[in-house]
Order: sequence, then C-alpha cells, then structure tokens
Amino acid sequence: DQQVKQNSPSLSVQEGRISILNCDYTNSMFDYFLWYKKYPAEGPTFLISISSIKDKNEDGRFTVFLNKSAKHLSLHIVPSQPGDSAVYFCAASASYGGATNKLIFGTGTLLAVQP
Amino acid sequence: KAGVTQTPRYLIKTRGQQVTLSCSPISGHRSVSWYQQTPGQGLQFLFEYFSETQRNKGNFPGRFSGRQFSNSRSEMNVSTLELGDSALYLCASSPGVMAGITGELFFGEGSRLTVL
Repeated sequence: DQQVKQNSPSLSVQEGRISILNCDYTNSMFDYFLWYKKYPAEGPTFLISISSIKDKNEDGRFTVFLNKSAKHLSLHIVPSQPGDSAVYFCAASASYGGATNKLIFGTGTLLAVQP
Repeated sequence: KAGVTQTPRYLIKTRGQQVTLSCSPISGHRSVSWYQQTPGQGLQFLFEYFSETQRNKGNFPGRFSGRQFSNSRSEMNVSTLELGDSALYLCASSPGVMAGITGELFFGEGSRLTVL
C-alpha cells in the first residue's frame, strides 16, 4: 500500500517558468512532510520541509504548500532553472508522539527544465 | 566536513549468497537509517538505528538485518540473496532523532547491488 503517491512520473518545464510537483498521501497521522532532490549517481538531498500545523513554507525559489483536508502537498519552483532538472521525492513522517527518522517516500517525479 | 560514506559503491552477487554493506555517518551524527531504492518503488525504509539501538524496522523479510556500532557506523546484511534484492541501498544519517525537527536526512551515494 503506497501511503505517499506521486502520480506524475515526469514533468517538463521551460526555463524561467513555474514548476509544480504534486504529492498525495493517505495516512492522516503524518505530521511532517519533506521534499528531496536526487541527481543521477548521487544520494537524495534535502530541499524543504513543512509541519502539519502549517499550510505553506517558503525558502528562496522553493515553496511547499500543504492541504491537510485534501491530503495533498505541492512543491513550487519559481523561476525554474536548468540545474533544477532532477528527480524530486516527496516524503512524510509520522512521529506518533515519539521520535523517528523513518520517512515514507513517494516514487519520485523526474523534472526536466528546458533552456 | 566529510559526508555519509557508503562502501562498496558497486557489487555483484549471485542468488543464495549474502552481502554486507557499510555506512559511515557524518561525524557527530548518531542516527543512521537505511533505504532501498528500486525502479518504480521509490525509496523504501529498511531500518533506523540510534545509539546502537534499532528504533524502527520496515516491512522487509528477516533476511535483511542491520546493526550500529558504538562509533555510529552501521552495517546492513542481506542473506540468501534473491534476484529482487537488486537495488540501490542508501544510508542516511541525522544529528537527531526526529527528521521532522531537524528537517533533513543526509544521504550517502548508495551501494548498487546486482544479484545474478
């Protein structure tokens, strides 16, 4: 059972335009959400996160939006740059009142930013 | 500051064999997690260690095991290898115990295992 879903395997965007990557989840106990970026032959690197008590978090060109009622989050990249071309993974964490570094990842979306 | 180091980077095994993968976390990090990445499945959580104790385990068969040493280095072992175990195995370290609070895990480049 895939608790975190990224339904778009790939996305192509023109340089300078907005990239919107989407993620849906099913477990209402998730209380933290994160986005990671992965280049080929490298490990994933952290981009941005959001707590379930917020609906928006912004860091430079990257903004994550969380809609808890829809169990949906999205990552906006504005403006998109060719160097942003990578696989983007959405991840979620459920603390259940305890401490954990266990993340549930989606299957990833390959973003291609065309010059 | 050195990143997360995983060895070996690439290895080829045959069915039925066993394999041990090693992970050295970032200096000072006490939490180590392991993930399996396969095409179409994304990253799937294997297990998590903090201060030599397994804190969480994913839904993998008992053939998959791990441990953490007093210096925070970690190893994972897969016994009786199957073709489906072919994957990229990623290790991640964290300074704390809460990914949500720290905001991130620091991943190594992975160990690419091919089972023939």
